[in-house]
Amino acid sequence: DGGITQSPKYLFRKEGQNVTLSCEQNLNHDAMYWYRQDPGQGLRLIYYSQIVNDFQKGDIAEGYSVSREKKESFPLTVTSAQKNPTAFYLCASSIGGQSREAFFGQGTRLTVV
Amino acid sequence: GDSVTQMEGPVTLSEEAFLTINCTYTATGYPSLFWYVQYPGEGLQLLLKATKADDKGSNKGFEATYRKETTSFHLEKGSVQVSDSAVYFCALMETGFQKLVFGTGTRLLVSP
Repeated sequence: DGGITQSPKYLFRKEGQNVTLSCEQNLNHDAMYWYRQDPGQGLRLIYYSQIVNDFQKGDIAEGYSVSREKKESFPLTVTSAQKNPTAFYLCASSIGGQSREAFFGQGTRLTVV
Repeated sequence: GDSVTQMEGPVTLSEEAFLTINCTYTATGYPSLFWYVQYPGEGLQLLLKATKADDKGSNKGFEATYRKETTSFHLEKGSVQVSDSAVYFCALMETGFQKLVFGTGTRLLVSP
C-alpha cells in the first residue's frame, strides 16, 4: 500500500546525543515536510523540501538538520543543540502544487531522558 | 507571513449536537484551505479541503465553506457522534512557496 512510514514510533535519547528520525514515502511525492507538535501549540514547521537535493528552513529549524538525497526519503536529525527536543514529530508529503493536500505519517514520539 | 487562527478548545458537546469550530486566516495571496483531524497518538488525516473562494468542502457529514470576504473556513457538522472526538486542525497552503501552515488545533469531546 502507498503511504508514509515514520520510524521508530517511540524513541528515547540521552541528553547530548544526536538522533535521526526516519521518514519514507512511496507516493512519488515531490514535497516533504517535518513538523513538531507540542501540547497546545499545534504543528510547527521545522524543514521542508520541494525537490530532491533542496530543502528550506521552516519556523523552528534551529537544532535540527535534514537531507533529501532521494525522492522517497527525508530523514530528520535532532542534534544536541536542540534545547528542548522532547516532542511528537510528524512527517508529511505532498504531490506539490497549492491545492494538493499533504499526507502524514503516524509520527515519532521522542523523549529525552 | 501567512497564519491561521482557530477557536480555543476543548469543545464539549453531547451526541447529536451541532458543531461549529471557527477558523480564520491571514494570507497575502489566495491560499488553499484544509481541515485535518488527529486521533490520539496518530498522525493527521485530511478531512476536507477547498481551493478557491466560495468552494464548499465536505466529508463524513462535516462541511466548511471558503469565505474570502471574511477570511474564514469554519468547520460544521449537523449531528456529532462520540467517534468524532479528536483534535481538529485548520490549515492553509501558501501561495507560491507551497508551505502548509496550521492553526493550534481544537479538541472536540463528544459525550453519549
